Amino acid sequence: QKEVEQDPGPLSVPEGAIVSLNCTYSNSAFQYFMWYRQYSRKGPELLMYTYSSGNKEDGRFTAQVDKSSKYISLFIRDSQPSDSATYLCATPRNSGNTPLVFGKGTRLSVIA
Amino acid sequence: DAGVIQSPRHEVTEMGQEVTLRCKPISGHNSLFWYRQTMMRGLELLIYFNNNVPIDDSGMPEDRFSAKMPNASFSTLKIQPSEPRDSAVYFCASRAGTYYTGELFFGEGSRLTVL
Repeated sequence: QKEVEQDPGPLSVPEGAIVSLNCTYSNSAFQYFMWYRQYSRKGPELLMYTYSSGNKEDGRFTAQVDKSSKYISLFIRDSQPSDSATYLCATPRNSGNTPLVFGKGTRLSVIA
Repeated sequence: DAGVIQSPRHEVTEMGQEVTLRCKPISGHNSLFWYRQTMMRGLELLIYFNNNVPIDDSGMPEDRFSAKMPNASFSTLKIQPSEPRDSAVYFCASRAGTYYTGELFFGEGSRLTVL
C-alpha cells in the first residue's frame, strides 16, 4: 500500500460548487498534513497545512483530518475558475529532517 | 527572491544521450529535493540534500541517475545514458531549515522527453 493514496480524477464542477478532495494515508504515526496546488506547467505551491486531527479554515478553503479513519480532505467553497488546478496532498515521511510524500494529485476543473 | 530556478525548462534528446538538469535553490535554504512527476506515478522523491550532503538517494531509480550539490547554490541531476522511460517532469525544491514542517518551494520543472 502506498503511503498516501489520492483519486486522480479528473473532477469537473460548475462555478460556485462546493468541492471535496480526499486522500487516505497508511501510517497512523503521520500527524502533519499539507495540501499543495499545482497549476498547469508550474511547480506545486503550498496551499494549506494542518496538524493532527480537526479542521483548519483559510478563506474558501477548509482542510480536515480524521485520524481514526486515516482520511484527509480539502473542501473548496464557492469554487472559481481560478481554482482549476491539480491538488496534491502530502505528509512528511517521519519527523525530523524528512522529505514530503505526495499523493498522485486530483485534477480539478471549475467551469464558468 | 527569484525562487527556485531550474534549467533547462524543456529538453528533448535521443535515447543513450546524457542529460544534465540544473537547479539553483532559494538563497539561505538548507535542504534541497529532486522529485520526478509522471501521470502514472505522480510526484516521486529521487534524492534530497541537507547542507549540501546527500541524505537519502533510495528513490534514484538506477545507477544511470546521479545527483550532486557542490555548493549551497547549485545542484545537478544527471542521467547517463537516458532512456525513453525517463521522460517526465523533474522538479527541484528547496526548504529553509531542516525540519519537516518547513514549506517546500518548487521550481517550475524541467520537462524531459527522451525519444
